[in-house]
Amino acid sequence: DVKVTQSSRYLVKRTGEKVFLECVQDMDHENMFWYRQDPGLGLRLIYFSYDVKMKEKGDIPEGYSVSREKKERFSLILESASTNQTSMYLCASRDSGGAGEQYFGPGTRLTVT
Amino acid sequence: AQSVAQPEDQVNVAEGNPLTVKCTYSVSGNPYLFWYVQYPNRGLQFLLKYITGDNLVKGSYGFEAEFNKSQTSFHLKKPSALVSDSALYFCAVRGGGAAGNKLTFGGGTRVLVKP
Repeated sequence: DVKVTQSSRYLVKRTGEKVFLECVQDMDHENMFWYRQDPGLGLRLIYFSYDVKMKEKGDIPEGYSVSREKKERFSLILESASTNQTSMYLCASRDSGGAGEQYFGPGTRLTVT
Repeated sequence: AQSVAQPEDQVNVAEGNPLTVKCTYSVSGNPYLFWYVQYPNRGLQFLLKYITGDNLVKGSYGFEAEFNKSQTSFHLKKPSALVSDSALYFCAVRGGGAAGNKLTFGGGTRVLVKP
């Protein structure tokens, strides 16, 4: 089974702090994704990566950056956390062939105070 | 731009009754369509997908979905709902071409199955 893990289930940070969210997948998938989930808005794509050191902006990249130094690891960085970044963050991975589904991690609930 | 609409925020159904969760989509080219389920404080779990072929797709836990190209719909169905089906359900679409990597989700529909 594909396993996607995220470094924290719950995280509380202060406004202005730099925040790192880590995601690791164990299936050698080329594609990795970061979403945020907010009630009524579904999942919105922040960034994705289709290869090591490659990244593309999703629909809501403002205030975020990403890093992919190794194939299995995709990090989401909040350069200066703000209260409107309080949300559930979900990481996903998918292989590059055909129309495969994405596999999701358990999520990190981030609260910025 | 691709989009997904789930017109119902919540669906209530009695245990043993049929369950339907509605989804309509907009995408360029042929769609890849997905349903995911999310249980409380968990990530999303894949239920089923439509890529091509038979319009009726069967998935996990007794769920199925019907692709209707003329109505651009992909409704999720279960003939007999269980209390354990209570969860948040998401429909998603992915198009081909340059946007082929991006999955667009609907806003989600909460399903409540009452005993």
